[in-house]
Order: sequence, then C-alpha cells, then structure tokens
Amino acid sequence: AQSVTQPDIHITVSEGASLELRCNYSYGATPYLFWYVQSPGQGLQLLLKYFSGDTLVQGIKGFEAEFKRSQSSFNLRKPSVHWSDAAEYFCAVGLYGGATNKLIFGTGTLLAVQP
Amino acid sequence: EAGVAQSPRYKIIEKRQSVAFWCNPISGHATLYWYQQILGQGPKLLIQFQNNGVVDDSQLPKDRFSAERLKGVDSTLKIQPAKLEDSAVYLCASSARGSSGEKLFFGSGTQLSVL
Repeated sequence: AQSVTQPDIHITVSEGASLELRCNYSYGATPYLFWYVQSPGQGLQLLLKYFSGDTLVQGIKGFEAEFKRSQSSFNLRKPSVHWSDAAEYFCAVGLYGGATNKLIFGTGTLLAVQP
Repeated sequence: EAGVAQSPRYKIIEKRQSVAFWCNPISGHATLYWYQQILGQGPKLLIQFQNNGVVDDSQLPKDRFSAERLKGVDSTLKIQPAKLEDSAVYLCASSARGSSGEKLFFGSGTQLSVL
C-alpha cells in the first residue's frame, strides 16, 4: 500500500542554521511528491512538488527538496532557517487513477526555531 | 483572489449530537475535497467531488458522515451522530480540474471537539 513516513516528529534548530526534514515514501510507480507547510490556525500551503525531470526541486520561501529514487526519499532542505519557518511540515505522495486525485500525507514534522 | 472559505472556525459538541461544516471553494474550481486531520496525524481524504458528483468517498464513514455539493460550488459535510474519535480539524480544499499533480488550495479548517 502507498504510504509516507516522516521519521522526525519534532525538530528544533537555531535561527540561521541549516535544516533537513526527512521523508520516505512507498509507492509502486514513479511518484508525485509534495511538501506542504501548515502554520498554526492556517491551512496547508504548498512549498514544492516533484513530478519528473530534475531531481532537485526548488520551492517557495527558499526551500528545496531532492528526490532520490534509490532511497525512496524526498527530503526537504533549507540552508538558513528563519524564525518565521516555525510550523508543521507535511510530505505527501499523490495517487492518481481515473478521476481520483488523492494525496497521502505523512504524519508531519513540527519545526521549532530557537533565536 | 479569494481563498477557500470554511465555517465555522471552531465547534464544540457533545457525543451523539450532529454537526455541519461549510466550505466555499475558490471560484471556478471544479474539484472539491474534504480532509480529516486528527491531532498528531497527517490529513486524510474523506471525499472528493468533481463538480457536483462524488469521485472518491472510499474513506468516508458513511454510517455517520455525509457530504453534498448540490450546485457544484459550495459544499457541506455533516456528522450525525458524532463520536469522540471524530474530534479533528476538517479541511476543505479545491483545485481547478482535479487532474494529476494539480495544486490543491486548502482552507483554514474547522476544528471540531467532541466531548
């Protein structure tokens, strides 16, 4: 069955430090992969997505992610974290068939940023 | 451009009561989704509409949950009767066509507490 695993429930980094959030997926075919961010009381906002082509994907707010098929991973990175990046981050895989357009989400990683 | 609107923002009910949530998608978006996000988990798709027709409701607990999108625009999700385990944030999302990999726009959600 298709699934997404985010092994880190909670991560704390210092402002200005680099960040990497891990995501592993299980999917039989070439996946559509996404990273979303959710700030408190807000809906989910798309950071970036991977469909095909270049395995290094650039997103909004200075985030990037790298698709590694051999490791079934799609880790999210940012070279220098800002206090406003504190939020919950969700990795998702897209399932498509017929008219179905479904996202399977991981359990999320809560990011705290220390001053 | 106005985003996805949801109401109410919060709702507290007792178990066995009924409750309804409302969603107005982005204008012109044909596809509408309801997701359930339980604390500590990623969002889970409950139902997907394409215009006013149901595309996927495989994870909707149909004995107590119902949803409609009568005119292909706004939608209502109902729970009757509610159980304690229904406590969650209910997110509505929309997309233009529901095609593969298309970006979903999420509302801020309705936080339901069942006591």
